[in-house]
Amino acid sequence: SSELTQDPAVSVALGQTVRITCQGDSLRSYFATWYQQKSGQAPVLVFYGKNNRPSGIPDRFSGSTSGNTASLTISGAQAEDEADYYCNCRDISGNLLVFGGGTKLTVL
Amino acid sequence: QLQLQESGPGLVKPSETLSLNCNVSGDSISSSSHFWGWIRQPPGKGLEWIGHIFYSGSTSYNPSLKSRVTMSVDTSRNQFSLKLTSVTAADTAIYYCARVSLYYNVLTGCDYWGQGTLVTVSS
Repeated sequence: SSELTQDPAVSVALGQTVRITCQGDSLRSYFATWYQQKSGQAPVLVFYGKNNRPSGIPDRFSGSTSGNTASLTISGAQAEDEADYYCNCRDISGNLLVFGGGTKLTVL
Repeated sequence: QLQLQESGPGLVKPSETLSLNCNVSGDSISSSSHFWGWIRQPPGKGLEWIGHIFYSGSTSYNPSLKSRVTMSVDTSRNQFSLKLTSVTAADTAIYYCARVSLYYNVLTGCDYWGQGTLVTVSS
C-alpha cells in the first residue's frame, strides 16, 4: 500500500504563513484531503480536491499539489490554528484511503 | 445537519471481539453518493484507516486489519457497524465513524465525523 509522509512538527509565528506538506506516490494520481484535529476533538475537514474548502473553513486555508507532494498553506496563521494536521489520499493499489502520520502545528 | 454517533463497550478483554455501532442522523445511509467508514487513533498517535462500506454492503478493508475486520450496514436503522476480532492491547484506540465522500467519483476523504469512542483492551 501507499505511504504518506508528513513532517512531525512545524511552527509559525502569529500572522505569518506556514506550509504543511504531505509526500507520497499516490499524490501523483489523486488529490490530498486535509484535516485539522485539536486536542481532545475529532478531526475536521479543512481542504479537499483541487481547490475546495468546506463551508465555515476560513479562506486562509488553501491547498496545492506538485508532483508527489501536497501542501496545506495557512496564510496569516492564528492562535486557533494550533492543532495536528493530517493528510489522506486514495491508495494507488486499492480502493481504500491512507493517512499521513500527522503534523503538529505550533503558533508562536 | 448530519450527525454520527458511535456506541459500544468501552472495555474489551484480550482475544475477544470489539463491536461498535454508528448511528447516522440527518442523512440516509442509503445515499449513493457516499460511503461510510471507520478510523481509529491510538492514544497520542496518528489516524489509521480501518475500512469503509457502501449501503449495498460492499466493503473495503485496510490490508493490515482485513483478517480481523467485518463491517455491516443496517439501512432500516440508518446505522453501520464494525467488528474487530481477536483484539490485543494494540487495538486500544479512539474509534471514529465517518461519512466518506467522493470527488469526481474518486474516494477522497471524510466530511463528517462522529465524536469518537475510546475502546480499551484490557483484562
